[in-house]
Amino acid sequence: DTGVSQNPRHKITKRGQNVTFRCDPISEHNRLYWYRQTLGQGPEFLTYFQNEAQLEKSRLLSDRFSAERPKGSFSTLEIQRTEQGDSAMYLCASRQTDSGNTIYFGEGSWLTVV
Amino acid sequence: DQQVKQNSPSLSVQEGRISILNCDYTNSMFDYFLWYKKYPAEGPTFLISISSIKDKNEDGRFTVFLNKSAKHLSLHIVPSQPGDSAVYFCAARLMDSSYKLIFGSGTRLLVRP
Repeated sequence: DTGVSQNPRHKITKRGQNVTFRCDPISEHNRLYWYRQTLGQGPEFLTYFQNEAQLEKSRLLSDRFSAERPKGSFSTLEIQRTEQGDSAMYLCASRQTDSGNTIYFGEGSWLTVV
Repeated sequence: DQQVKQNSPSLSVQEGRISILNCDYTNSMFDYFLWYKKYPAEGPTFLISISSIKDKNEDGRFTVFLNKSAKHLSLHIVPSQPGDSAVYFCAARLMDSSYKLIFGSGTRLLVRP
């Protein structure tokens, strides 16, 4: 499977705990995006990387959120001191800037904060 | 402010008929428009796209129409099949270096057998 891979697919955590999601983009895709989707809404942009550089962060990304892409390949999204409002699907997507206009999404990581 | 709007939260059509999903946008700085299909608990799957310099793009049963003057696009599915039942998201790409997508809130399509 050469698509965008995310894990874990589901995570249930208690409020106040930290969680980390991992994304493995399509091989050789230099752009990597994180989105968040809540019920009844479309995906909302959180942040993106060009190789290892984080180039933009949405105002939705509070200081409890941090994303990294240390070697320009996989990425992690960490949420510290989770709150119930963080419950959502976290989507990772990737694209190659030199070819095509499509962003390809992974299957998402569901977070439930109880 | 919602830059991409899908005003119909749901649509129900008979199998074999045409499904028309609509999308409106407000920002003139979009250069590409994409439609994604999403099943529950899965990520969005790319369906079809259109450049802002075109007014129509067709791929099999799927056709996207763009009316720039009205800032409106639509996705036509002909003929509709029960397997098309899903949530459809319209997305617009910002004409800046990020190429990030702005999504509408989705339309849930139900194709009745």
